[in-house]
Amino acid sequence: DAGVIQSPRHEVTEMGQEVTLRCKPISGHDYLFWYRQTMMRGLELLIYFNNNVPIDDSGMPEDRFSAKMPNASFSTLKIQPSEPRDSAVYFCASRQGALEAFFGQGTRLTVV
Amino acid sequence: AQTVTQSQPEMSVQEAETVTLSCTYDTSENNYYLFWYKQPPSRQMILVIRQEAYKQQNATENRFSVNFQKAAKSFSLKISDSQLGDTAMYFCAALNDYKLSFGAGTTVTVRA
Repeated sequence: DAGVIQSPRHEVTEMGQEVTLRCKPISGHDYLFWYRQTMMRGLELLIYFNNNVPIDDSGMPEDRFSAKMPNASFSTLKIQPSEPRDSAVYFCASRQGALEAFFGQGTRLTVV
Repeated sequence: AQTVTQSQPEMSVQEAETVTLSCTYDTSENNYYLFWYKQPPSRQMILVIRQEAYKQQNATENRFSVNFQKAAKSFSLKISDSQLGDTAMYFCAALNDYKLSFGAGTTVTVRA
């Protein structure tokens, strides 16, 4: 398996634009997580899914953020409209049951 | 809710020496899992070691070992015979109720 695949690796966008981050989890994993990493706040859990169903989205900062998982092999995290304070590295991770989570390479988002 | 605390922002160690990173956590559960992840400059999150709370024996993976003190809710990581490639940020994480929470991280620098 190629591991968790995220795209794009880097994204630079202007304030107010819509941004969509993509993730392909490891096949067979039933949990998918979206994390945001910043210097100030470290690694924050934004939302996680179990069997494609959102379980806990309490970490989503505000209504500008939304996440979907239409099937077991794909998830998106959307920010609309984007703001400079959304600049961060966004990680997707997947896991099977209670085993360790495997992370993608992350997407570095810069909003100017 | 659970909290993971890493009280050492930075650590420096001479090559071939030993360094110990501290981590404490807070959970009301009896069964849970603990992890140490490594994040080198490439920003990839790599699992270093895993500990299951119901196991009394401390986990070991080559040069990496943990000191798990369940009553004290402490989970420290020892890196023996440090190598230059160990230079990275290290995150302690706790898995509880299928939610993985991370500490703020400790930056480890191995000096030649």
